[in-house]
Amino acid sequence: QSALTQPRSLSGSPGQSVTISCTGTSSDVGSYNYVSWYQQHPGEAPKFMIYDVNKRPSGVPDRFSGFKSGNTASLTISGLQAEDEADYYCCSYAGSYVVFGGGTKLTVL
Amino acid sequence: QVQLQQWGAGLLKPSETLSLTCAVYGGPFSGSLRDYYWSWIRQPPGKGLEWIGEINHSGSANYNPSLKSRVTISIDTSRNQFSLTLNSVTAADTAMYYCASRVVPAAVGLWGQGTLVTVSS
Repeated sequence: QSALTQPRSLSGSPGQSVTISCTGTSSDVGSYNYVSWYQQHPGEAPKFMIYDVNKRPSGVPDRFSGFKSGNTASLTISGLQAEDEADYYCCSYAGSYVVFGGGTKLTVL
Repeated sequence: QVQLQQWGAGLLKPSETLSLTCAVYGGPFSGSLRDYYWSWIRQPPGKGLEWIGEINHSGSANYNPSLKSRVTISIDTSRNQFSLTLNSVTAADTAMYYCASRVVPAAVGLWGQGTLVTVSS
C-alpha cells in the first residue's frame, strides 16, 4: 500500500485559515469514514487531533476541523496561532491495515 | 487513565532482531481495556509515520503488508504488556518506534514515549 498524499509544506499568517489535503484511494480514504489527523511538534510524540473524519477528541480546540470528499480528506485550521506550527499527518483505515500520509510541515509566518 | 511505557534495545547490528515491549497501565486488557487495539508505529529520522501493526486482547493481529514477513506483535494479558519483534533489521529500520493504542479504527489516541532504534554495523 502507498502512503496517503499530503502537500510537503504550507504556510499561513496568524489569524488566517489553512487547509491541508490528504489524498488516498478508493481502498482507504474513499471507502471508510475512519480518517484521523495528528499534530507533531519537534521532538514530541504525535498528538491526536481529529478522528472519524471530523470529530475532535476532548481538549482539541474547535479551530481544528476535518472534512472528506471522495478519496480526499482535509484538515482546516482556522484562526492560525503560532503554536499551530508543526508537522501534520493524516491517517486512514484501509480494511485490515492503516496507512499514514507523508506529512505536511505547517509554518506560521 | 491509560498510560503506555515502552522499552527495548536501542542499538542493533544489521541482520539482528528488534524487540520492544510496551506496558499498559490503567486497566486489564480483558476488562476495561478489552475494546482497545494495541499498535506499533515508527518514524525514521526526519521522515513520516509508518504503521507497523496492531493486536487486540484476544491476540488477533494485523500487520502492514510491506513489513508482514518480518514482524510479529504479541500480547501478554497476564502482564498487561504487548511486544514487537522485527527480524533481519537493516539500516532502513532505523527509526523512533512508538507503542500506541486506539479504540476507533485508525484513531490512535494514546502514544508511548518512543524508543529510538538505530541499526548500524
